[in-house]
Amino acid sequence: QSALTQPASVSGSPGQSITISCTGTNSDVGRYNYVSWYQQHPGKAPKLIIYEVSNRPSGVSNRFSGSKSGNTASLTISGLQAEDEADYYCSSYTSSSPLVFGGGTKLTVL
Amino acid sequence: EVQLVESGGDLVKPGGSLRLSCAASGFTFTNAWMSWVRQAPGKGLEWVGRIKRKSDGGTTYYAAPVEGRFTISRDDSTNTLNLQMNSMKTEDTAVYYCTTEGAIVGYHALEIWGQGTTVTVSS
Repeated sequence: QSALTQPASVSGSPGQSITISCTGTNSDVGRYNYVSWYQQHPGKAPKLIIYEVSNRPSGVSNRFSGSKSGNTASLTISGLQAEDEADYYCSSYTSSSPLVFGGGTKLTVL
Repeated sequence: EVQLVESGGDLVKPGGSLRLSCAASGFTFTNAWMSWVRQAPGKGLEWVGRIKRKSDGGTTYYAAPVEGRFTISRDDSTNTLNLQMNSMKTEDTAVYYCTTEGAIVGYHALEIWGQGTTVTVSS
């Protein structure tokens, strides 16, 4: 199962909004509403920030939002803050495997 | 407090075996599906495998690179998840994370993560 496709890096200035894409196929992202997003700071374990495309776990800032159109899911972070600088990964349920990750996106806050 | 604590990471030679464990607390372990995810040095996340809860048959699933070499098991009496790794390869070198599904928000999302345990395969 190939990984989902994410941009290697994105950047933005404090206060701005950025969007990270996650492109799959009609066997994963396009077929199921089981897309999740994870935030990982250096040396730390990942943290779930979005599940089922657009739901936020309790305690996650509402500056994080998720959406999906066709085979592409997106994570939007509004009002960028320095603490948002991290790696972000998407994942999806697939028809051939319980879960597949994207390659990850490094977010730099300028 | 919801917590997962992995242990057992070590240096092992190619072809060798290692057993990782994950101690769970603060949630109903018997209701959760449990997964292992690994991250090679400087690389992204890679799903390794999952075990469903007993009431869902305790079914296991594995990623292709580890199928036939790794075995996931769970002990609901002690709230422990295990990962038995055999015929290990250098490409198995990674931090291994224990994670949950269905304990907090639902399935097909990895809700809780342990701190990770480091496995190095090298001669």
